[in-house]
Amino acid sequence: EAQVTQNPRYLITVTGKKLTVTCSQNMNHEYMSWYRQDPGLGLRQIYYSMNVEVTDKGDVPEGYKVSRKEKRNFPLILESPSPNQTSLYFCASSLSGLGGELFFGEGSRLTVL
Amino acid sequence: GIQVEQSPPDLILQEGANSTLRCNFSDSVNNLQWFHQNPWGQLINLFYIPSGTKQNGRLSATTVATERYSLLYISSSQTTDSGVYFCASYGQNFVFGPGTRLSVLP
Repeated sequence: EAQVTQNPRYLITVTGKKLTVTCSQNMNHEYMSWYRQDPGLGLRQIYYSMNVEVTDKGDVPEGYKVSRKEKRNFPLILESPSPNQTSLYFCASSLSGLGGELFFGEGSRLTVL
Repeated sequence: GIQVEQSPPDLILQEGANSTLRCNFSDSVNNLQWFHQNPWGQLINLFYIPSGTKQNGRLSATTVATERYSLLYISSSQTTDSGVYFCASYGQNFVFGPGTRLSVLP
């Protein structure tokens, strides 16, 4: 089944404790991206990747890191999480970096205390 | 960058009613897509519709790229249609509208 898989789905952590949210897709998509969703602010892009080893900042990259060493994986790293990073996070992928149908993972709800 | 507006922001319907959701763009429409976020938070791609009209069951969508808007039609609404509907267009990257929150009452 074609899908985008995120883990963990739910996480409660404390300020400053490094964490990684994994994202994997099995559709051989070139384009992958991360979004956060907050009440009243909609979906905002954090980082995106047009292909392996090619990443770029989105609208709200501060406090996050990403890497794209393999085509299928695009982990989101919070080196030192803070309470303002409490949010619902989505990973998404698309066949091409020039657009195309976008598929979302199921979301990861992160709480930073 | 491109600005996306959606209307109405909120909509309450009785089960069985029809509705039209609108998405306006400030610049050229590119790779227009509609998504449904269900009450459990999942985001599902409904339509990939850069131009023209598509139908999928009770849902259909029309994009008029030259006039920078897209419409999503929901006919004979059901309670399972509740949630938030987003449109998105691709510029340098995907830009999402603020969403229309739909509540379908039994």
